[in-house]
Amino acid sequence: KNEVEQSPQNLTAQEEEFITINCSYSVGISALHWLQQHPGGGIVSLFMLSSGKKKHGRLIATINIQEKHSSLHITASHPRDSAVYICAASKSDYGQNFVFGPGTRLSVLP
Amino acid sequence: DSGVTQTPKHLITATGQRVTLRCSPRSGDLSVYWYQQSLDQGLQFLIQYYNGEERAKGNILERFSAQQFPDLHSELNLSSLELGDSALYFCASSVGYPNEQFFGPGTRLTVL
Repeated sequence: KNEVEQSPQNLTAQEEEFITINCSYSVGISALHWLQQHPGGGIVSLFMLSSGKKKHGRLIATINIQEKHSSLHITASHPRDSAVYICAASKSDYGQNFVFGPGTRLSVLP
Repeated sequence: DSGVTQTPKHLITATGQRVTLRCSPRSGDLSVYWYQQSLDQGLQFLIQYYNGEERAKGNILERFSAQQFPDLHSELNLSSLELGDSALYFCASSVGYPNEQFFGPGTRLTVL
């Protein structure tokens, strides 16, 4: 079993839909990261969470430490949100030893 | 543009060869991370340096080595290359850790 799991693997949505991507992890973490990888390959860090909830524009990330679960929500989705979303668990406070989820491929149709 | 630069963008080489990938972090960032992304393995953490010292090690093969220089740029050396080493290699940097990371554009390595 992978230390970091994501669901769904693939997601197709219509523009303006509310989207949720889930991440569950089985390791102790110091932080949980959400990354976005565009079709061209570039990676952007969206959030780093150690507790609670963060919001940036139409993106919201939440984490439940007790349940070892995090969600990424996209409100009013847009075709430019089409990308692979990856969650990564940072396993240590001394140095950041990352374990990545397999990614969720999101396609938002106009 | 994240402010992290990687060279070269593309590299094509043969099995058994050795290559060096270079990363310049954002101005002011002390921490550098290396990642490998292959089609079958996804993203994997290789190694982290902080202000010249190794801080964390992931799934880095013994044929691979890295270092961070006094000017904070970093190099990843890959030797005795195998077909399976073909991948995208990303570098990222952060001010410290745990902190948000800023990713470079990657180096695409093809081993023939």
